Amino acid sequence: GEDVEQSLFLSVREGDSSVINCTYTDSSSTYLYWYKQEPGAGLQLLTYIFSNMDMKQDQRLTVLLNKKDKHLSLRIADTQTGDSAIYFCAEKNQGGKLIFGQGTELSVKP
Amino acid sequence: EPEVTQTPSHQVTQMGQEVILRCVPISNHLYFYWYRQILGQKVEFLVSFYNNEISEKSEIFDDQFSVERPDGSNFTLKIRSTKLEDSAMYFCASSPGAWNQPQHFGDGTRLSIL
Repeated sequence: GEDVEQSLFLSVREGDSSVINCTYTDSSSTYLYWYKQEPGAGLQLLTYIFSNMDMKQDQRLTVLLNKKDKHLSLRIADTQTGDSAIYFCAEKNQGGKLIFGQGTELSVKP
Repeated sequence: EPEVTQTPSHQVTQMGQEVILRCVPISNHLYFYWYRQILGQKVEFLVSFYNNEISEKSEIFDDQFSVERPDGSNFTLKIRSTKLEDSAMYFCASSPGAWNQPQHFGDGTRLSIL
Protein backbone atom coordinates (compact mmCIF):
# COMPACT_ATOMS: atom_id res chain seq x y z
CA GLY A 1 0.00 0.00 0.00
CA GLU A 2 0.93 3.66 0.00
CA ASP A 3 3.46 4.60 2.66
CA VAL A 4 5.78 7.50 3.44
CA GLU A 5 8.68 7.21 5.88
CA GLN A 6 10.91 9.79 7.53
CA SER A 7 13.50 9.73 10.27
CA LEU A 8 12.10 11.13 13.50
CA PHE A 9 14.78 13.55 14.67
CA LEU A 10 17.50 15.79 13.29
CA SER A 11 19.72 18.13 15.28
CA VAL A 12 21.94 20.77 13.66
CA ARG A 13 23.87 23.87 14.69
CA GLU A 14 22.68 27.31 13.68
CA GLY A 15 24.22 28.30 10.34
CA ASP A 16 24.69 24.72 9.17
CA SER A 17 22.62 23.09 6.42
CA SER A 18 19.86 20.66 7.38
CA VAL A 19 18.86 17.76 5.18
CA ILE A 20 15.61 15.98 5.92
CA ASN A 21 14.99 12.75 4.04
CA CYS A 22 11.83 10.95 3.03
CA THR A 23 11.02 7.76 1.15
CA TYR A 24 7.70 6.84 -0.40
CA THR A 25 6.24 3.77 -2.06
CA ASP A 26 3.62 4.96 -4.55
CA SER A 27 5.30 5.28 -7.95
CA SER A 28 2.19 6.97 -9.35
CA SER A 29 2.51 9.97 -7.02
CA THR A 30 1.86 13.20 -8.88
CA TYR A 31 3.25 15.76 -6.46
CA LEU A 32 5.38 15.62 -3.33
CA TYR A 33 5.17 18.19 -0.58
CA TRP A 34 6.97 19.52 2.43
CA TYR A 35 4.94 21.00 5.27
CA LYS A 36 6.23 22.64 8.47
CA GLN A 37 4.48 22.43 11.83
CA GLU A 38 5.50 24.72 14.66
CA PRO A 39 4.31 23.94 18.21
CA GLY A 40 0.57 24.46 18.58
CA ALA A 41 0.18 25.49 14.94
CA GLY A 42 -1.17 23.90 11.78
CA LEU A 43 0.58 22.53 8.72
CA GLN A 44 2.28 25.30 6.77
CA LEU A 45 3.05 24.52 3.13
CA LEU A 46 6.76 25.06 2.53
CA THR A 47 7.34 23.83 -0.98
CA TYR A 48 6.38 21.10 -3.42
CA ILE A 49 7.71 19.38 -6.49
CA PHE A 50 6.03 17.77 -9.46
CA SER A 51 7.02 14.16 -9.94
CA ASN A 52 8.66 14.75 -13.34
CA MET A 53 11.15 17.22 -11.85
CA ASP A 54 14.30 16.28 -9.98
CA MET A 55 15.11 19.54 -8.23
CA LYS A 56 13.41 22.70 -7.08
CA GLN A 57 15.02 25.65 -5.31
CA ASP A 58 13.15 28.29 -3.36
CA GLN A 59 15.37 30.73 -1.45
CA ARG A 60 16.99 28.70 1.38
CA LEU A 61 15.05 25.55 0.49
CA THR A 62 16.18 22.94 -2.03
CA VAL A 63 14.06 19.90 -2.81
CA LEU A 64 15.68 16.90 -4.49
CA LEU A 65 13.62 14.06 -5.94
CA ASN A 66 15.05 10.71 -6.98
CA LYS A 67 12.08 9.08 -8.60
CA LYS A 68 13.90 5.83 -9.32
CA ASP A 69 14.69 5.33 -5.62
CA LYS A 70 11.45 7.03 -4.48
CA HIS A 71 13.51 9.36 -2.30
CA LEU A 72 12.77 12.98 -1.51
CA SER A 73 14.90 15.37 0.48
CA LEU A 74 14.57 18.90 1.81
CA ARG A 75 17.73 20.92 2.33
CA ILE A 76 17.55 24.07 4.42
CA ALA A 77 20.59 26.29 3.95
CA ASP A 78 21.90 28.47 6.79
CA THR A 79 19.51 26.92 9.31
CA GLN A 80 18.20 29.32 11.94
CA THR A 81 16.67 28.71 15.37
CA GLY A 82 13.34 29.79 13.87
CA ASP A 83 13.51 26.74 11.61
CA SER A 84 13.06 24.45 14.61
CA ALA A 85 9.79 22.60 13.94
CA ILE A 86 8.41 19.30 12.70
CA TYR A 87 8.75 18.79 8.94
CA PHE A 88 6.31 16.53 7.15
CA CYS A 89 6.84 14.94 3.78
CA ALA A 90 3.65 14.05 1.89
CA GLU A 91 2.80 12.50 -1.43
CA LYS A 92 -0.35 13.16 -3.39
CA ASN A 93 -1.88 10.04 -4.87
CA GLN A 94 -3.94 9.80 -8.04
CA GLY A 95 -7.12 10.46 -6.11
CA GLY A 96 -5.82 13.76 -4.73
CA LYS A 97 -5.43 12.82 -1.08
CA LEU A 98 -2.16 13.41 0.77
CA ILE A 99 -0.27 10.59 2.45
CA PHE A 100 2.02 11.88 5.17
CA GLY A 101 5.20 10.68 6.76
CA GLN A 102 5.45 10.69 10.53
CA GLY A 103 7.36 13.98 10.57
CA THR A 104 10.97 14.85 11.35
CA GLU A 105 11.59 17.03 14.39
CA LEU A 106 14.34 19.50 13.53
CA SER A 107 16.20 20.98 16.49
CA VAL A 108 18.51 23.90 15.79
CA LYS A 109 21.09 24.63 18.46
CA PRO A 110 22.65 28.09 18.76
CA GLU B 1 -2.48 35.85 2.47
CA PRO B 2 -5.84 34.02 2.64
CA GLU B 3 -6.05 31.31 5.27
CA VAL B 4 -8.11 28.29 6.18
CA THR B 5 -9.71 28.96 9.58
CA GLN B 6 -10.95 26.33 11.99
CA THR B 7 -13.11 26.65 15.08
CA PRO B 8 -12.95 25.88 17.89
CA SER B 9 -9.23 25.49 18.52
CA HIS B 10 -9.96 23.03 21.33
CA GLN B 11 -13.13 21.02 21.93
CA VAL B 12 -13.73 18.88 25.00
CA THR B 13 -16.68 16.50 24.78
CA GLN B 14 -18.09 13.65 26.81
CA MET B 15 -17.94 10.22 25.24
CA GLY B 16 -21.13 9.43 23.35
CA GLN B 17 -21.90 13.05 22.51
CA GLU B 18 -22.00 14.52 19.03
CA VAL B 19 -19.46 17.13 17.98
CA ILE B 20 -19.27 19.46 14.99
CA LEU B 21 -15.93 20.82 13.87
CA ARG B 22 -16.06 23.89 11.68
CA CYS B 23 -13.84 25.13 8.89
CA VAL B 24 -13.89 28.11 6.59
CA PRO B 25 -11.83 27.21 3.52
CA ILE B 26 -10.08 29.78 1.34
CA SER B 27 -12.80 31.55 -0.61
CA ASN B 28 -12.01 30.59 -4.23
CA HIS B 29 -11.06 27.01 -3.42
CA LEU B 30 -13.17 24.15 -4.73
CA TYR B 31 -11.76 21.06 -3.01
CA PHE B 32 -12.06 20.47 0.71
CA TYR B 33 -10.49 17.88 2.99
CA TRP B 34 -10.42 16.63 6.54
CA TYR B 35 -7.40 14.93 8.07
CA ARG B 36 -6.70 13.88 11.63
CA GLN B 37 -3.59 13.30 13.70
CA ILE B 38 -3.81 11.11 16.76
CA LEU B 39 -1.10 12.06 19.25
CA GLY B 40 2.22 10.51 18.25
CA GLN B 41 0.87 9.14 14.97
CA LYS B 42 0.87 10.21 11.33
CA VAL B 43 -1.53 12.70 9.83
CA GLU B 44 -4.26 10.55 8.24
CA PHE B 45 -6.66 11.38 5.42
CA LEU B 46 -10.35 11.18 6.32
CA VAL B 47 -12.37 12.57 3.43
CA SER B 48 -12.30 14.81 0.38
CA PHE B 49 -15.26 16.84 -0.86
CA TYR B 50 -15.94 18.49 -4.20
CA ASN B 51 -19.04 19.85 -5.89
CA ASN B 52 -21.16 19.17 -2.79
CA GLU B 53 -20.35 15.52 -2.54
CA ILE B 54 -17.72 13.22 -1.11
CA SER B 55 -15.05 12.38 -3.70
CA GLU B 56 -13.05 9.96 -1.60
CA LYS B 57 -13.11 8.69 1.97
CA SER B 58 -10.81 6.51 4.02
CA GLU B 59 -11.81 3.42 5.93
CA ILE B 60 -11.66 5.54 9.10
CA PHE B 61 -14.54 7.64 7.76
CA ASP B 62 -17.38 5.30 8.69
CA ASP B 63 -21.06 6.00 9.43
CA GLN B 64 -20.06 7.85 12.59
CA PHE B 65 -18.68 10.68 10.46
CA SER B 66 -20.34 13.08 8.05
CA VAL B 67 -19.36 16.24 6.23
CA GLU B 68 -21.42 19.11 5.00
CA ARG B 69 -21.05 22.43 3.25
CA PRO B 70 -24.14 24.11 4.67
CA ASP B 71 -23.56 27.46 2.96
CA GLY B 72 -21.06 29.07 0.61
CA SER B 73 -18.32 29.45 3.18
CA ASN B 74 -18.39 26.75 5.88
CA PHE B 75 -17.28 23.12 5.70
CA THR B 76 -18.13 20.98 8.72
CA LEU B 77 -17.16 17.58 10.08
CA LYS B 78 -19.73 15.94 12.35
CA ILE B 79 -18.79 13.05 14.60
CA ARG B 80 -21.74 11.23 16.14
CA SER B 81 -21.54 9.22 19.34
CA THR B 82 -17.90 10.08 20.00
CA LYS B 83 -15.49 7.50 21.34
CA LEU B 84 -12.30 7.90 23.36
CA GLU B 85 -10.26 6.96 20.29
CA ASP B 86 -11.68 9.93 18.37
CA SER B 87 -9.43 12.16 20.46
CA ALA B 88 -7.04 13.76 17.97
CA MET B 89 -6.11 16.94 16.16
CA TYR B 90 -8.45 17.44 13.20
CA PHE B 91 -7.16 19.46 10.26
CA CYS B 92 -9.22 21.00 7.50
CA ALA B 93 -7.58 21.76 4.15
CA SER B 94 -8.64 23.27 0.86
CA SER B 95 -7.20 23.63 -2.62
CA PRO B 96 -8.24 25.46 -5.79
CA GLY B 97 -7.93 22.22 -7.78
CA ALA B 98 -7.29 18.56 -7.01
CA TRP B 99 -4.33 17.83 -9.20
CA ASN B 100 -1.78 20.52 -9.69
CA GLN B 101 -2.41 22.81 -6.75
CA PRO B 102 -1.38 22.24 -3.15
CA GLN B 103 -3.65 21.87 -0.17
CA HIS B 104 -3.60 24.63 2.43
CA PHE B 105 -4.27 23.65 6.01
CA GLY B 106 -5.92 25.32 8.96
CA ASP B 107 -4.41 25.34 12.44
CA GLY B 108 -6.53 22.40 13.51
CA THR B 109 -9.07 21.63 16.22
CA ARG B 110 -7.84 19.59 19.14
CA LEU B 111 -10.68 17.22 20.09
CA SER B 112 -10.53 15.67 23.55
CA ILE B 113 -13.07 12.97 24.40
CA LEU B 114 -13.55 12.32 28.12
